[in-house]
Amino acid sequence: DAKTTQPPSMDCAEGRAANLPCNHSTISGNEYVYWYRQIHSQGPQYIIHGLKNNETNEMASLIITEDRKSSTLILPHATLRDTAVYYCIVRVATDSWGKLQFGAGTQVVVTP
Amino acid sequence: GAGVSQTPSNKVTEKGKYVELRCDPISGHTALYWYRQSLGQGPEFLIYFQGTGAADDSGLPNDRFFAVRPEGSVSTLKIQRTERGDSAVYLCASRSSGSPDTQYFGPGTRLTVL
Repeated sequence: DAKTTQPPSMDCAEGRAANLPCNHSTISGNEYVYWYRQIHSQGPQYIIHGLKNNETNEMASLIITEDRKSSTLILPHATLRDTAVYYCIVRVATDSWGKLQFGAGTQVVVTP
Repeated sequence: GAGVSQTPSNKVTEKGKYVELRCDPISGHTALYWYRQSLGQGPEFLIYFQGTGAADDSGLPNDRFFAVRPEGSVSTLKIQRTERGDSAVYLCASRSSGSPDTQYFGPGTRLTVL
């Protein structure tokens, strides 16, 4: 069963913020939310992860709702190079050494 | 530094043939993963090595698929009696013990079975 639900696609204008939603209504207390992205013809790339607090790094920000049933990945100033498939993954904290379970992701297209 | 490398980048074979796909992880990374990605889908886990041993091989679809990592570095994914349904991009990733949350992926090997 899918643990996360993402829209199949979304467009974003270059220079604007891209807000990517993810629903994970069955998330458990010991599960983290991870985001990876995959640019065409490349392997996936780690972006960010969090448990319940909002997180920010040089690539993006992660906003997790208080009930933890959904989250939003924010790319603050989208560029053409941000065009990729973005995957939201829920994962048990103690299983951080194990596999990643990818869904279909969201195809983000950044347009000039 | 050098990332994860995979060879060959493309492999075309005929149904029934044997193929080997190679993965060179980032130097010093103890964990290595194999995934398979079909067109339009997210990567699907196959097997995970911690050092030389397979810690989790639950994703291998059947006994035609086998992977080794004899010295705890390079890994080879072996597929016997290939079938057209094996056509996919095979991705390798590695992870260091000091950064358990991040898997670093290679560019993949595109396998086409005719």
